[in-house]
Amino acid sequence: NAGVTQTPKFQVLKTGQSMTLQCAQDMNHNSMYWYRQDPGMGLRLIYYSASEGTTDKGEVPNGYNVSRLNKREFSLRLESAAPSQTSVYFCASSEGGGGFNEQYFGPGTRLTVT
Amino acid sequence: QKEVEQNSGPLSVPEGAIASLNCTYSDRGSQSFFWYRQYSGKSPELIMFIYSNGDKEDGRFTAQLNKASQYVSLLIRDSQPSDSATYLCAVNRRSGYSTLTFGKGTMLLVSP
Repeated sequence: NAGVTQTPKFQVLKTGQSMTLQCAQDMNHNSMYWYRQDPGMGLRLIYYSASEGTTDKGEVPNGYNVSRLNKREFSLRLESAAPSQTSVYFCASSEGGGGFNEQYFGPGTRLTVT
Repeated sequence: QKEVEQNSGPLSVPEGAIASLNCTYSDRGSQSFFWYRQYSGKSPELIMFIYSNGDKEDGRFTAQLNKASQYVSLLIRDSQPSDSATYLCAVNRRSGYSTLTFGKGTMLLVSP
C-alpha cells in the first residue's frame, strides 16, 4: 500500500516549457487535491477533484490545468511555465470531501522554473 | 483578517517540556480541525483531528478546541528532539463538501 505517489520528484524547466505532474493513490479515495507550497505562504490549493469526473478551481488556479484520469489518478499540467511557478507541489487525497475527511499527502515534486 | 492564523515561531522548548501550538480561525462556520506535522523537505503528515469542543488525546498529543473563541491548539507532552518540525493547522470551513484551509505553520524546535 503505497498511499499517494507523485512523479517526478524533481524537475527543472525553462520559462515557456510545459510539463505534467502525475499523482496516483491506492486508498480508493474519492477526492484528490493539488497544492503548492512556497516559503512564507503556506499550502495553497490549486485545483481539486471531489470525485471521479469532476474538477474545481482552488485558491490559485491560474496557469494550471488538471485532469482526473480515473479514480486513482489526478494530473496537474503547466502549459507555459513561469518563474513564479517555482514551488513544491503536493498531491493529496481523502475518502471524501467535507469536514470529516482527513487528507493524505504525497511526497511532493520540487519544481524550478528558470 | 487571515482565515487561519498561526505564530510562525520558532517555538523553542527543552526536551521533556510541554510544547503548546496555537491556531485561530476566522470562519465561525468551521466544522473540523486538523493538525499536520511537516519535517523539513518532507510532506505534511496528519497527527490529529478534532471536531467537538474540548480535548482529544492521542498518546503524547492533545488537541484542544474552543469554537466560541475560534481557537484550536495542539499540546505535545514530553517533547522530544524528533518532534522538531513545522506544525500546520488546517480548518474545514463548512459542512458538506469543502476543502481545507491551512495556516502557514509554526516551527517547533526541541533542544536536547
